[in-house]
Amino acid sequence: QAQLVESGGGAVQPGRSLRLSCAASGITFSSHAMHWVRQAPGEGLEWVAVISYDGSYIYYADSVKGRFTISRDNSKNTMYLQMNSLRAEDTAVYYCARDPAGSGYYYFDYWGQGTLVTVSS
Amino acid sequence: DIQMTQSPSTLSASVGDRVTITCRASQSIGRWLAWYQLKPGKAPKLLIYDASRLESGVPLRFSGSGSGTEFTLTISSLQPDDFATYYCQQYNTYRTFGQGTKVEIK
Repeated sequence: QAQLVESGGGAVQPGRSLRLSCAASGITFSSHAMHWVRQAPGEGLEWVAVISYDGSYIYYADSVKGRFTISRDNSKNTMYLQMNSLRAEDTAVYYCARDPAGSGYYYFDYWGQGTLVTVSS
Repeated sequence: DIQMTQSPSTLSASVGDRVTITCRASQSIGRWLAWYQLKPGKAPKLLIYDASRLESGVPLRFSGSGSGTEFTLTISSLQPDDFATYYCQQYNTYRTFGQGTKVEIK
């Protein structure tokens, strides 16, 4: 069964760090770019970051640039999001999503169910 | 940045109704547009890509059209499983989403 499973979410104080993981199974991972997309409570979807299939192309939304780091381990079929200097406005459900291509320029053909990150004092 | 504007934000409809959601881009995006269905607690689902291409496994009652700056998602006969929130997303320049359209039971 094709699935992406996010983990690592939770409650954290402002200024602290958290690392999210996204494990792929039943789908091809290593030849596809991967993305993180988030949805704040009551809000719409916001694209966060992308990493190409080999990690050579990485790009971030301005809202997280300099604080978040995306990475991947193709040997483990897993992608990560290291989130530092967290702010209240980072509170959201974080989804990982697969790009149909290796470059990362397109849409999202598979998504996970999401993991909730809550930043609050 | 390319802004995506969806309308309506909420739509009340009955089973069997024909439903149309509109997405407008702030500048031309060609046909680089996708549509997704979101339900609480579930993985979002890709419905349409390249403005009108139906994703494998998606029911034929879903269709997409448009190019340039104006796009539509149509559900030809609304089914109980279709009550959800729908988002458009452009991928012409980076990626931006519309604000979503909630389809609720009338």
